[in-house]
Amino acid sequence: GAGVSQTPSNKVTEKGKYVELRCDPISGHTALYWYRQSLGQGPEFLIYFQGTGAADDSGLPNDRFFAVRPEGSVSTLKIQRTERGDSAVYLCASSSGGGRGYEQFFGPGTRLTVL
Amino acid sequence: LAKTTQPISMDSYEGQEVNITCSHNNIATNDYITWYQQFPSQGPRFIIQGYKTKVTNEVASLFIPADRKSSTLSLPRVSLSDTAVYYCLVGDPFQKLVFGTGTRLLVSP
Repeated sequence: GAGVSQTPSNKVTEKGKYVELRCDPISGHTALYWYRQSLGQGPEFLIYFQGTGAADDSGLPNDRFFAVRPEGSVSTLKIQRTERGDSAVYLCASSSGGGRGYEQFFGPGTRLTVL
Repeated sequence: LAKTTQPISMDSYEGQEVNITCSHNNIATNDYITWYQQFPSQGPRFIIQGYKTKVTNEVASLFIPADRKSSTLSLPRVSLSDTAVYYCLVGDPFQKLVFGTGTRLLVSP
């Protein structure tokens, strides 16, 4: 079946602009996670959804970052007033949650470049 | 969340067994040990997970001593395609994953 998909694969924007990054999780997966990864580093947690609600948003760096998952499926990560330091690969993952659904399935990521 | 320590890099040759050890001295009672693999320009991929003793699947084995303060990922007979970054994670696998910088494994012919 289809895995986690993310769009766009690449996004180039200018400092100060607003961007939206989309994640389509595996169908039926109730848990959805956002991470970001800088060059040479491991992924860094941003936010975790269980269904439609954010169960843990402790990784969001500041109030310029916001994520939604209105229908419990697709999620959008929104970044306002982008800064050059926001440049990174943004990864989305999903899992079936509960029971033995602990494996997180990652998408290919969106590479964001802020000029 | 328990902090992990693993080698920055390792080199091996095709056909050899590779063992990557991870230290996690402050592991909590409820924590699981999970390993992920990441290829360039791809998201991480789950390899194996365990709580104690030994776990084996079709791609790897995970050895965990009784005190659980370390773990060893064993990759049998590696191939060139096993060249990747390997991350050791400790914590609740249903919650956020906390990645370190991982171990860069280079497999040569």
